Amino acid sequence: EAQVTQNPRYLITVTGKKLTVTCSQNMNHEYMSWYRQDPGLGLRQIYYSMNVEVTDKGDVPEGYKVSRKEKRNFPLILESPSPNQTSLYFCASSRGGGGSTGELFFGEGSRLTVL
Amino acid sequence: AQSVTQPDIHITVSEGASLELRCNYSYGATPYLFWYVQSPGQGLQLLLKYFSGDTLVQGIKGFEAEFKRSQSSFNLRKPSVHWSDAAEYFCGSAGGSYIPTFGRGTSLIVHP
Repeated sequence: EAQVTQNPRYLITVTGKKLTVTCSQNMNHEYMSWYRQDPGLGLRQIYYSMNVEVTDKGDVPEGYKVSRKEKRNFPLILESPSPNQTSLYFCASSRGGGGSTGELFFGEGSRLTVL
Repeated sequence: AQSVTQPDIHITVSEGASLELRCNYSYGATPYLFWYVQSPGQGLQLLLKYFSGDTLVQGIKGFEAEFKRSQSSFNLRKPSVHWSDAAEYFCGSAGGSYIPTFGRGTSLIVHP
């Protein structure tokens, strides 16, 4: 089954404790991306990757890091989480050049709370 | 830079009534346009997309959308809403860079 898998789905952590949210897709997609969803603000892109070893900042990259060492994986790293990073995070993937096909496949989301 | 505006934060309709969700985009050329739906506790699912050709696009779950260049709009419609359509709806666009941009979303509430 084609899917994008995120882990963990739920996490409560404390300020400053490094964490990683993993994302894996089994569709051999070139493009992967991370979004955060906040009430009233919709989906905002954090980082995206057009292919292995190619990453770029989205609209809200501050406080986040990513890496793309393998095509299927695109982890999101919070080196020193802060309460303003409390949010619902989505990973998405697409074949071809980013949104050119218009079909992003989304994971089920990871709800992160930073105390 | 491209942007997408969904003017309605919430829309309330009665079951069986027709629905129209508004979306306006800002982009110089013809963008790629799409609508996604997010059911409670779920990720986002593609409803429909427009790249070129016929400006009336049919999607899944009985939804359709019409691209109107003169109004920079891509409104989503459904002739008869079902209670299971209650969800968050996101309009999006992708321009020359192919990087998708989403609107802030419209929450659909369906009354029985």
